[in-house]
Amino acid sequence: SQQGEEDPQALSIQEGENATMNCSYKTSINNLQWYRQNSGRGLVHLILIRSNEREKHSGRLRVTLDTSKKSSSLLITASRAADTASYFCATGTMEYGNKLVFGAGTILRVKS
Amino acid sequence: DVKVTQSSRYLVKRTGEKVFLECVQDMDHENMFWYRQDPGLGLRLIYFSYDVKMKEKGDIPEGYSVSREKKERFSLILESASTNQTSMYLCASSFLAGGQETQYFGPGTRLLVL
Repeated sequence: SQQGEEDPQALSIQEGENATMNCSYKTSINNLQWYRQNSGRGLVHLILIRSNEREKHSGRLRVTLDTSKKSSSLLITASRAADTASYFCATGTMEYGNKLVFGAGTILRVKS
Repeated sequence: DVKVTQSSRYLVKRTGEKVFLECVQDMDHENMFWYRQDPGLGLRLIYFSYDVKMKEKGDIPEGYSVSREKKERFSLILESASTNQTSMYLCASSFLAGGQETQYFGPGTRLLVL
């Protein structure tokens, strides 16, 4: 089964609201990353958080990591219609060798 | 900016055809990856390469092969395309030793096998 699993599978909010997506994983990680994918396009890297970090910010994005609960959350504040996309978490672990393992993603729709 | 390009955005092939998907990156990255993406399944790693002429199998290598003759170019080959290989194919690259750092993706190739 997937190393990283996002929750919820889909999220629909109004423009201006905050969006929170969660990612849970099973084994110890070296880092956890979040990517965005606009419809029919490639993935774009958003943020990387290492296992010894607890929180990271980038513009309107805030990522937290709780290694004791094996979970991470991505918060997008003051969402915009342009944030409509799929969001994936990816984990880097020694168990899976030198590669990332991606979850199935959360589909975010921001209504204007 | 890192640029990863893929040879085609859309491709339609017939069952049994040999299919080549090409990926080129312009940032001298050591690592290159091929994924396929299917609804509800996320990205699944097909093959990756950490150096020229080096390759390693990912999670779903069956029915695929790869070639990396030059550092900037990583090709995915479907020896005999089948309908269950209809999918979105994504290429990615990363620049540090080990594939766990930030990956840069191409725009994807949507392949339809009839």
